[in-house]
Amino acid sequence: KQEVTQIPAALSVPEGENLVLNCSFTDSAIYNLQWFRQDPGKGLTSLLLIQSSQREQTSGRLNASLDKSSGRSTLYIAASQPGDSATYLCAVWLIRSYIPTFGRGTSLIVHP
Amino acid sequence: EAGVAQSPRYKIIEKRQSVAFWCNPISGHATLYWYQQILGQGPKLLIQFQNNGVVDDSQLPKDRFSAERLKGVDSTLKIQPAKLEDSAVYLCASSLVGRDEQYFGPGTRLTVT
Repeated sequence: KQEVTQIPAALSVPEGENLVLNCSFTDSAIYNLQWFRQDPGKGLTSLLLIQSSQREQTSGRLNASLDKSSGRSTLYIAASQPGDSATYLCAVWLIRSYIPTFGRGTSLIVHP
Repeated sequence: EAGVAQSPRYKIIEKRQSVAFWCNPISGHATLYWYQQILGQGPKLLIQFQNNGVVDDSQLPKDRFSAERLKGVDSTLKIQPAKLEDSAVYLCASSLVGRDEQYFGPGTRLTVT
């Protein structure tokens, strides 16, 4: 059974810092991995999708990397802003399954 | 482009009552998902539709939950009868095809008392 762990569970940083959020998974036979953002009381917003054949994806100040062999993905946020405050979740789809496994998320607070 | 619509946004019911949630996906998205998100956890997939057919419902508690997607567009998720442990946010999402980038609705927060 796939298990997805996100570390740290919570993070509070001053504005301007560069951040690294971690996502680890136990089964490396993945189809793809997605990073999402969830604001309080709202649904999820897709940030980046990495196919199993890719090593990284970039969008603006966000960069996500994937290392299947070590079962890890990292989300890098450059020059953090208060508007980045949210919960960040990663989800993994296995090759043999249509059921995604989500981590519990990292709750991020960026204070001015 | 309109996003995924869900209603109601909030619902409070007593245990053993029934409740239904509605979802309208993004136009042209063949795949529709229903998730359950309990406070402090990541979403858990309940059921996935491809057009109006079920792709996977292995995690749907079929003794009390049911879902349908008529005409391959809108979908409803029903709980009957509700239990206290069903208190959660129910999220609907859609994508062009399965395991593609997903677009989520705002969710329905259900409280069972």
